[in-house]
Amino acid sequence: NAGVTQTPKFRILKIGQSMTLQCAQDMNHNYMYWYRQDPGMGLKLIYYSVGAGITDKGEVPNGYNVSRSTTEDFPLRLELAAPSQTSVYFCASTQGTGFYEQYFGPGTRLTVT
Amino acid sequence: LAKTTQPISMDSYEGQEVNITCSHNNIATNDYITWYQQFPSQGPRFIIQGYKTKVTNEVASLFIPADRKSSTLSLPRVSLSDTAVYYCLVGARSSGDKLTFGTGTRLAVRP
Repeated sequence: NAGVTQTPKFRILKIGQSMTLQCAQDMNHNYMYWYRQDPGMGLKLIYYSVGAGITDKGEVPNGYNVSRSTTEDFPLRLELAAPSQTSVYFCASTQGTGFYEQYFGPGTRLTVT
Repeated sequence: LAKTTQPISMDSYEGQEVNITCSHNNIATNDYITWYQQFPSQGPRFIIQGYKTKVTNEVASLFIPADRKSSTLSLPRVSLSDTAVYYCLVGARSSGDKLTFGTGTRLAVRP
């Protein structure tokens, strides 16, 4: 099992550009999450999904979009990148809602200049 | 979601036992207590979860008093590789609670 994989590992974007952060899991988990972590801070939930075709906003969804067409994949789309979106992005999955053990990916470090 | 309070940082030496206490005064009846560990440049990793009394696994122990308003994560005989940030989270499985990470406790283990 690869667990949760994320690509790319690093990316530099110019202001106004767009990109998609990829996330995939091979554990057949229904629940998937996207977090961002700013330096020295905890993680903040951006979007989550409880199954294919179902997504919902988290704490900080503005400037992002998600889709969930399959159980395995949960891409995060950044439209019109802004410096405030400079952060490390983590994808996670779990077998059950909320407080079941979440498995995190290695993260994508994004810089917007 | 129950708010948690934990120390910002702690220092220890190799071989010592480390206890990190988390306060969660408004914990609800259905809430579980969960601890995650995060190394620099990595995603958080689940350490342990409990509801009451004591839970132990190969990594740590979790002590929860009867009133459940606090909990203590115990790391036996720490090594340099235990240097990390430790997060305490509280929430219920059934309510759809989402993980809410505070700033955690930054543990520094010295030789």
